[in-house]
Amino acid sequence: GAGVSQSPSNKVTEKGKDVELRCDPISGHTALYWYRQSLGQGLEFLIYFQGNSAPDKSGLPSDRFSAERTGGSVSTLTIQRTQQEDSAVYLCASSSQGTTNEKLFFGSGTQLSVL
Amino acid sequence: GENVEQHPSTLSVQEGDSAVIKCTYSDSASNYFPWYKQELGKRPQLIIDIRSNVGEKKDQRIAVTLNKTAKHFSLHITETQPEDSAVYFCAASKGGADGLTFGKGTHLIIQP
Repeated sequence: GAGVSQSPSNKVTEKGKDVELRCDPISGHTALYWYRQSLGQGLEFLIYFQGNSAPDKSGLPSDRFSAERTGGSVSTLTIQRTQQEDSAVYLCASSSQGTTNEKLFFGSGTQLSVL
Repeated sequence: GENVEQHPSTLSVQEGDSAVIKCTYSDSASNYFPWYKQELGKRPQLIIDIRSNVGEKKDQRIAVTLNKTAKHFSLHITETQPEDSAVYFCAASKGGADGLTFGKGTHLIIQP
């Protein structure tokens, strides 16, 4: 595709349920990032993939959060036993070179609402 | 890890005037400083970036300055127009696995 694609665009779930958020980066981009944006807040870094590996997972807010990337392309962010404080926009971004010192292309995000 | 502070949180200027947004960072190893613009309901998009080997960079009405000694950098928008209204985020990175660290954003409002 022409840009970073995220699905679903909106997700409403009940507290305690698990959710999966998907990101399709721009074809050929080796680096992929997940950020979280709470209402009126900045962009909170969650995790970064270089290829299929994540050098540092310490940005994930809790052990309920996990992410994987397969085939150097699609990534899935999974939140288990969702809580109301997980409600936010989850943004995915990709970049071509694989370093963190370059332009990020963002997706439109997934608006997660936990009731 | 890196900490990026951004001020002000909201900035209102008259159309045609200049706007300045300031950021400070904590990690002296950071060497890449981009600025992203996020219009209401849309995704963030890069508008300009600067690396630590230069002190200033311009692109038409937008400029960014960097003071490595003081660990701060600023975004300058001249001759502001209504389409400049958005939230602007500064960020810093040292190229490692931590990714970009963003500031909390500045809501820029251009008054007609």
